[in-house]
Amino acid sequence: DTEVTQTPKHLVMGMTNKKSLKCEQHMGHRAMYWYKQKAKKPPELMFVYSYEKLSINESVPSRFSPECPNSSLLNLHLHALQPEDSALYLCASSQEEGSDTQYFGPGTRLTVL
Amino acid sequence: AQKVTQAQTEISVVEKEDVTLDCVYETRDTTYYLFWYKQPPSGELVFLIRRNSFDEQNEISGRYSWNFQKSTSSFNFTITASQVVDSAVYFCALSEAPRYRDDKIIFGKGTRLHILP
Repeated sequence: DTEVTQTPKHLVMGMTNKKSLKCEQHMGHRAMYWYKQKAKKPPELMFVYSYEKLSINESVPSRFSPECPNSSLLNLHLHALQPEDSALYLCASSQEEGSDTQYFGPGTRLTVL
Repeated sequence: AQKVTQAQTEISVVEKEDVTLDCVYETRDTTYYLFWYKQPPSGELVFLIRRNSFDEQNEISGRYSWNFQKSTSSFNFTITASQVVDSAVYFCALSEAPRYRDDKIIFGKGTRLHILP
C-alpha cells in the first residue's frame, strides 16, 4: 500500500483565518514533505521532516507552520495567508530522506480570499 | 548544480499514436536517481519509475518504456499506443546521492500531454 492521504481536499479561507492541512501515511516511512504547487508549475519544496524532526525549511514565511505529531502524521498550520498563497499543497513521504522514492497524496487545493 | 530540462511544454497526439517525452538532466554526482511522475487533472503525483545512475538498462512496463542514456544525460519516456487516460502532466525529476543536508529532488517543469480521441 503506497497511500498518502490528505485532508481537506479543498479549502477556502480568508486572510485572517487560521486553518490546518493534514497528511497521513501508514507505510512506516520516516521522511515526510510539504510541497506547494502553483498552476502549470512543478512542485516546490517547503518543508522536510525526518524521524519527526524538521530537517529542511526552504525559507518559507512564518505564516506557514509545520508540525509532525508522530511518524505517521504531518500538519501544516496556516495563519494570516495572502491571496498569492493560493495553490495546491501536496504532502509526500519516503522511506528515508534523500533519494528514496517519494509517494504523494492527492493534495489540498487552497484558495485564500 | 543539478538541473532537469523538459523542453516539450505541451504535446498533443491522437489516440493510439506513440509519444516520447524528453528529459535531459545535469548533475555533479556519479551516483544519482532519476524519476518520472504523472499528474492527472485530479492533482495527485503518481510515481511511475525510479532509476539509479548505475543501471542503464531500458525498462518496459506495459505500454510505458524508458530509455536511459548516460552519454547524452537523457532519460526519455515513451508511451506506446496512447490512450485518453494518459492525458496528464508528466514530470521528470533528479535526486543526487544523499550526502548533503539539503539534498532534495529537483523537478523539471513538466510536459503537458493531451491525447485526442
